[in-house]
This record gives sequence, C-alpha cells and structure tokens, in this order.
Amino acid sequence: AQRVTQPEKLLSVFKGAPVELKCNYSYSGSPELFWYVQYSRQRLQLLLRHISRESIKGFTADLNKGETSFHLKKPFAQEEDSAMYYCALGVTDKLIFGTGTRLQVFP
Amino acid sequence: EAGVTQFPSHSVIEKGQTVTLRCDPISGHDNLYWYRRVMGKEIKFLLHFVKESKQDESGMPNNRFLAERTGGTYSTLKVQPAELEDSGVYFCASSQLFSGTASYEQYFGPGTRLTVT
Repeated sequence: AQRVTQPEKLLSVFKGAPVELKCNYSYSGSPELFWYVQYSRQRLQLLLRHISRESIKGFTADLNKGETSFHLKKPFAQEEDSAMYYCALGVTDKLIFGTGTRLQVFP
Repeated sequence: EAGVTQFPSHSVIEKGQTVTLRCDPISGHDNLYWYRRVMGKEIKFLLHFVKESKQDESGMPNNRFLAERTGGTYSTLKVQPAELEDSGVYFCASSQLFSGTASYEQYFGPGTRLTVT
C-alpha cells in the first residue's frame, strides 16, 4: 500500500537548535517525495522535492531508499520556521500526504 | 498573479442539505485537484481533472460527491446530501500540464471549511 507516515504530531525546539522532522514512506515503485509547508494563515505550499536535491530556507531532505525515509532537516531553527510540515509522496499525478508535524520554534 | 481561489471560505450546513464548493485554478493550469482534510487526519486526495476530463476519481468517498469542471476552467464539488462525516477542510490545487515530477508542484487554494451539523 502507498502510505506516508509522520510519527510526530508536534516538535518543539528553541531557536538555534537543530531540527529533524521524520517521514517514512511505503511505495513499491521509485518514489517521488516532497515536503509541503503551511505557515499560519497561509496556504499549503511546496517547500522542496527530493529530485532537485536543493536547500530551501536552510532545509534539506535526503531520500534514503534503504530506510524508506525522507526526513527534513535544518541545522539551526528560526522562529519563522514555525509551521505545519507535510511529507508527501507523488503517485500517478496525485499527492499522498502524511498527517503532518507541527513545528514550534521558541525564542 | 492571482493564486488558486476557493469559495466559500467557510460553510455551515445541516445534515441532509446540499453544498457546492467552487475552485478557480491559476490561469493556464490544466491540472486541477480536490483534496480533503478531516480533523486530525491526513490530507486525502479526492480527484484530479485534466482540463475538463476526470483523470482520477479514486478518492471520492461515495456517490454523494459530484465534481465538475465544465470548459476546463473552474471546478465545483457538490455534496448532496451532506452527512456529519463530510465535515472538514476541502482544498483545491492546480498545476501545469507537465509529465513526471513537475505535476507534483501543486498550488493550493486557501481551502473551504465545511461544517455539517
């Protein structure tokens, strides 16, 4: 079955601390994985995709096929990173989302 | 450039009533998607239009839900009759008509919060 699991509902850190938001997936084919983010009072928007191997707003995510994971990382969290983060798997043009992790960054 | 717009932003209806949600995609985006987030659960795919054709409606919960996209522009999602479990936030998203990874760069609307009492 195609599934995305985000085990943490809430992750709280202090400003400057490292952040890792966990994402595991289940998919028999070659996965296409994404992180979407929803800031307070804003729309859900694409943060980054695994295929481009880019760093956006200091965040990176590496696809680990052996562990079927696509964790989102940032070495030094900022208060403006506080948001809801969704890991998503692309399958035949649709997105399969995890339940999301709320990241709270305290000053 | 205007983003994806959805109307209404919030709808409260009684069980058994009918509600129609509207989505206007970004101009030029041939892909249009409907998703739903029920409280405490993940955002789930409902269906996908390519222009005016339904490409995939595997996520539609049952035949009380009817989606249309006449002329390949805006789309409507009608729930008739509404049930309590239909409550949630309904998102519309659009993307350009590319194959592969590019189609997953979807632009989301603000959502319609539907409350069925």
